[in-house]
Amino acid sequence: DAGVTQSPTHLIKTRGQQVTLRCSPKSGHDTVSWYQQALGQGPQFIFQYYEEEERQRGNFPDRFSGHQFPNYSSELNVNALLLGDSALYLCASSLVGGAGSNYGYTFGSGTRLTVV
Amino acid sequence: QQQVKQSPQSLIVQKGGISIINCAYENTAFDYFPWYQQFPGKGPALLIAIRPDVSEKKEGRFTISFNKSAKQFSLHIMDSQPGDSATYFCAAATSGTYKYIFGTGTRLKVLA
Repeated sequence: DAGVTQSPTHLIKTRGQQVTLRCSPKSGHDTVSWYQQALGQGPQFIFQYYEEEERQRGNFPDRFSGHQFPNYSSELNVNALLLGDSALYLCASSLVGGAGSNYGYTFGSGTRLTVV
Repeated sequence: QQQVKQSPQSLIVQKGGISIINCAYENTAFDYFPWYQQFPGKGPALLIAIRPDVSEKKEGRFTISFNKSAKQFSLHIMDSQPGDSATYFCAAATSGTYKYIFGTGTRLKVLA
């Protein structure tokens, strides 16, 4: 049973560029959340997608956008990259029910983004 | 009010010892408290979780203690092993919402 798959694993971009990160959820899961984890910090919620709609958003600027496809996979797009966007970007999938439900989130291994 | 404060930042324990990590929260609407374990280069993995209607939950060597009145919860790792060396995150969530609020993490090292 494949878990959450993220690609690419590592990425180096220049300030001002745009980046797209991809996520395939665990088989059977229909909800995808994205988190940003800065070095030495806990993950911070970016947004969650369910039924191809953004269901909730954290405190991130509009430069961060996303998409969910009919097969439940998802993309995270970041425009006008800043040095401060350098982080590990984690995708987490779950069944519908929300963070406080009995359905735990399954995290992928993340995409390490370095902005230079 | 949305923060979850975690301590200590790092912890060194001898093999066979007890590792204790503490978290505190302010938002009384939180009603789900998971702990995640993260190895280098990997995403966080759910270890154990608790709801505020119980004061303790045990799964194998891992125990969560929950103090609702103090708004604190802790993870105890009994008989700590070198393979437990990882970063541990506490988190909190509210039913009906869709995000976890994570603590800042505790880097645990268990000496052989």
